[in-house]
Amino acid sequence: DGGITQSPKYLFRKEGQNVTLSCEQNLNHDAMYWYRQDPGQGLRLIYYSQIVNDFQKGDIAEGYSVSREKKESFPLTVTSAQKNPTAFYLCASSNTRGSYNSPLHFGNGTRLTVT
Amino acid sequence: GQNIDQPTEMTATEGAIVQINCTYQTSGFNGLFWYQQHAGEAPTFLSYNVLDGLEEKGRFSSFLSRSKGYSYLLLKELQMKDSASYLCAVRDLGSGTYKYIFGTGTRLKVLA
Repeated sequence: DGGITQSPKYLFRKEGQNVTLSCEQNLNHDAMYWYRQDPGQGLRLIYYSQIVNDFQKGDIAEGYSVSREKKESFPLTVTSAQKNPTAFYLCASSNTRGSYNSPLHFGNGTRLTVT
Repeated sequence: GQNIDQPTEMTATEGAIVQINCTYQTSGFNGLFWYQQHAGEAPTFLSYNVLDGLEEKGRFSSFLSRSKGYSYLLLKELQMKDSASYLCAVRDLGSGTYKYIFGTGTRLKVLA
């Protein structure tokens, strides 16, 4: 079955450490996205990528970095510069070719806690 | 700029009908999506509108008016399992790239 895999499900880090969240998809989707969700809030866009080796900043990119070296993979690094990194992180992908009504498909999320 | 507004919370009774509204302002509108999200889980896709009018999918329907920047999600024959957050999202094609922008979500409580 095709889908998006995020790992790990729960992640704990000490303040000042960088941490990388994994996101892999086997849906053959071109576009991938990272969102952050805080308790009781909607989803805020961190970074997105339409094709390999290219990505754009979303609304809250400060303190985060990404890479897109392979179509299937879009890892997110939460750096020590991110002031409030504790949140629920969601990776998503979509098909931007042909399928006009392509929705976002989400992974199960990674809950990051920084203390 | 881009802005999406939804009510924060709604309460309804099992078996009833509820309408969740969403208003939006974007520069490159390219479709509106509704998602359901249970607490602690990822959002799941419910419906999509790109043209004006009503799309029906079983107990769920979604309506769009592009001229008014307005959509609603209609849930019929409410069940307890429908208690969740409902997220309105707009796909925006500003600057030639696809972005999905989400509202803050509407938390729906279904009471017995």
